[in-house]
Amino acid sequence: GAGVSQTPSNKVTEKGKYVELRCDPISGHTALYWYRQSLGQGPEFLIYFQGTGAADDSGLPNDRFFAVRPEGSVSTLKIQRTERGDSAVYLCASSAFRGRQETQYFGPGTRLLVL
Amino acid sequence: AQSVTQLDSQVPVFEEAPVELRCNYSSSVSVYLFWYVQYPNQGLQLLLKYLSGSTLVKGINGFEAEFNKSQTSFHLRKPSVHISDTAEYFCAVSTTGANNLFFGTGTRLTVIP
Repeated sequence: GAGVSQTPSNKVTEKGKYVELRCDPISGHTALYWYRQSLGQGPEFLIYFQGTGAADDSGLPNDRFFAVRPEGSVSTLKIQRTERGDSAVYLCASSAFRGRQETQYFGPGTRLLVL
Repeated sequence: AQSVTQLDSQVPVFEEAPVELRCNYSSSVSVYLFWYVQYPNQGLQLLLKYLSGSTLVKGINGFEAEFNKSQTSFHLRKPSVHISDTAEYFCAVSTTGANNLFFGTGTRLTVIP
């Protein structure tokens, strides 16, 4: 079946602009995660959804970052007033929540470049 | 808090030679351990995971890893590598109290013909 998809694959924006990154999880997966991977680093956790609600948003770096999942499927990560330091690959993952430590399946990521 | 250390940022190895990619973790609570692989221009793919039970875990593509609680390590091994194993490998941990993963900085494995 289809895996996790993310759009766009690449996004170039200017400092101060607003961006939205979209994630389509695997059908039926109730858990959804956002991670950020900076150059030369491992992915860093941002936020975790269980259904429609954000169960853990402790990884969001500041209030410019926000994510929603209104119908418990597609999620959108929103970044306001982008800064050059926001440039990174944003990864989305989903899992079937039948208990803890279900395998997370990752999408290919959105590469964000802030000029 | 948890942390993951991957001691080697780059590992070159000749084709058909054995390889070990090292991973050490730090945590004050029980952990679950994972290895992910990232091929060029692709998403992260799970190689194997340790949740409980046998400390030797076998994964896909001939990889295996051993959980050593006393040394807080989870090293990844393969007895004979192929060109197609060239990729970035990430070790990750999570805990019983959380669902998110903490990743190491990755090890780039380059298999030389």
